Amino acid sequence: DGGITQSPKYLFRKEGQNVTLSCEQNLNHDAMYWYRQDPGQGLRLIYYSQIVNDFQKGDIAEGYSVSREKKESFPLTVTSAQKNPTAFYLCASSIGTLGAFFGQGTRLTVV
Amino acid sequence: KQEVTQIPAALSVPEGENLVLNCSFTDSAIYNLQWFRQDPGKGLTSLLLIQSSQREQTSGRLNASLDKSSGRSTLYIAASQPGDSATYLCAVNTGFQKLVFGTGTRLLVSP
Repeated sequence: DGGITQSPKYLFRKEGQNVTLSCEQNLNHDAMYWYRQDPGQGLRLIYYSQIVNDFQKGDIAEGYSVSREKKESFPLTVTSAQKNPTAFYLCASSIGTLGAFFGQGTRLTVV
Repeated sequence: KQEVTQIPAALSVPEGENLVLNCSFTDSAIYNLQWFRQDPGKGLTSLLLIQSSQREQTSGRLNASLDKSSGRSTLYIAASQPGDSATYLCAVNTGFQKLVFGTGTRLLVSP
């Protein structure tokens, strides 16, 4: 089936640790995105990529990094510089003006 | 800066009622508007996508309208069912599929 797969579903991070969230799509979409969702707030854009080997910062990029080495993959690394990383992270992809499609999310918790 | 507001924040109705969810945005320069559904702890499911040149879109019991000049969109749900209970999010595409989200309307449909 075509879609977007995020893994893991749940992730726990210790203080000072970097963690990487995976996002893979087989929709042949050019663009991919990472959003963060906090209770009571709308989704906020972290990073987006319109094409392989290129990406741009969104509204809340500090403390995060990404790579886009393959069209299908857009991993997000939450670094130790992100002071409040506990949140629900959502990956999306799109092509043209056909709207965005989302994965099932990764819930990250700091322990 | 584009801002998206959704009213009401929460809505509780008995099964069978027709209902309207509202979404307003501050900048009319949008490419399209998308309505999503989110179940607890899950990703976003796309319901309807309205291009900026369109006035409405329909899918089954759902109808979404767009009035770009006044910065408003509505999602109409006919004959609501308990399975419609979820959070409904609207998002405007400000370019390159960068979406700005509202904070959502949490809907509860009681049997």
